[in-house]
Amino acid sequence: DIQMTQSPSSLSASVGDRVTITCRASQGISNYLAWYQQKPGKVPKLLIYAASTLQSGVPSRFSGSGSGTDFTLTISSLQPEDVATYYCQKYNSAPITFGQGTRLEIK
Amino acid sequence: EVQLVQSGAEVKKPGESLKISCKGSGYSFTSYWIGWVRQMPGKGLEWMGIIYPGDSDTRYSPSFQGQVTISADKSISTAYLQWSSLKASDTAMYYCARPYSGTLPGAFDIWGQGTMVTVSS
Repeated sequence: DIQMTQSPSSLSASVGDRVTITCRASQGISNYLAWYQQKPGKVPKLLIYAASTLQSGVPSRFSGSGSGTDFTLTISSLQPEDVATYYCQKYNSAPITFGQGTRLEIK
Repeated sequence: EVQLVQSGAEVKKPGESLKISCKGSGYSFTSYWIGWVRQMPGKGLEWMGIIYPGDSDTRYSPSFQGQVTISADKSISTAYLQWSSLKASDTAMYYCARPYSGTLPGAFDIWGQGTMVTVSS
């Protein structure tokens, strides 16, 4: 089965910073990669699918890139409301796998 | 409005059985996979399995195969997750979710509100 490895596992940055989270697949998954945001006590929210397609309603400061095995989620200018845990997910076929999550805090 | 509405929180004892539900509305229930995701307290998201209500094609994560049963009743647009004998380690929030595309099993854009299952003696 394909494993998804995120890094870092936690991150602290200042408001306005550019933040990058990476996700690596143990085998190629083309662009079948999604990113989710989960705020404390809330339901996960789809941010990006197909590696780089922004879900409707998601702020444009979020972007995704990559293909094959290496992917990134970038927040161009960190805002206080971006405090959350972020997960990648490979979804081309079952078993679907989530990364272990990256907890993002404000410094 | 497309939505998934899950059944309410449950408190059970070890060894008891349980079936929780997820009712879809606002879309063609038989045309999209429905997935189940576990989140143990303070932990990450774990994919448990998916079902395609149109033909009941079901896939399980190796970690959950044999531990739970996923089913669906398309006549009432409802998917289910069930346990025959709960353990304390099944204590978690369980989410159902639907992918953005009917042809794909993941990238969930619609989520249920979650069902908290607590297993304690």
